[in-house]
Amino acid sequence: QKEVEQDPGPLSVPEGAIVSLNCTYSNSAFQYFMWYRQYSRKGPELLMYTYSSGNKEDGRFTAQVDKSSKYISLFIRDSQPSDSATYLCAMSANTGFQKLVFGTGTRLLVSP
Amino acid sequence: GAGVSQTPSNKVTEKGKYVELRCDPISGHTALYWYRQSLGQGPEFLIYFQGTGAADDSGLPNDRFFAVRPEGSVSTLKIQRTERGDSAVYLCASSLRGDRAHEQYFGPGTRLTVT
Repeated sequence: QKEVEQDPGPLSVPEGAIVSLNCTYSNSAFQYFMWYRQYSRKGPELLMYTYSSGNKEDGRFTAQVDKSSKYISLFIRDSQPSDSATYLCAMSANTGFQKLVFGTGTRLLVSP
Repeated sequence: GAGVSQTPSNKVTEKGKYVELRCDPISGHTALYWYRQSLGQGPEFLIYFQGTGAADDSGLPNDRFFAVRPEGSVSTLKIQRTERGDSAVYLCASSLRGDRAHEQYFGPGTRLTVT
């Protein structure tokens, strides 16, 4: 079993919909939780990060972490066709230099 | 400012050949990471550097893979005796130290194809 599980999708939604993307994990040592967006044939782009449990909002994006359930979410409000990409969750254990452990990514398609 | 750059963007090589992949991190970033991404998968950690030294190389799959960062800036990932299973996108990332260390910024990657 992988340390981080993520549904690969694809997830298809109409423009303007609220999108919910999720990951589960098994390693209780994870404390930093990141969401990356990756367009086709591009490198991952850091969207948001959260330390420990709680919510964080940035524009149309909200990240939630529930450490008790080992479950993290990314919500996208008013989704746009330009949001069509693969969304990767990533986690690391401690502060300092740390390798990231990624999920497989969820492919999101937002249709006009 | 300039982001992480990687060269070449694409590399096609024959099985058994040697390849070098280059990464130029964001100026001022002391940490540098290499990851490998296979089709339909998330990036998998290979190695990271603090300055010039490899602080963690636990993700390197075998001794055909080696990486250097001689002056604490540019890094080169070297693969000897390439195999078809090495075909993937090789991603480089960099970050600051301390409480910003988890914010890793990725380059566009080098797509390696071994024929």
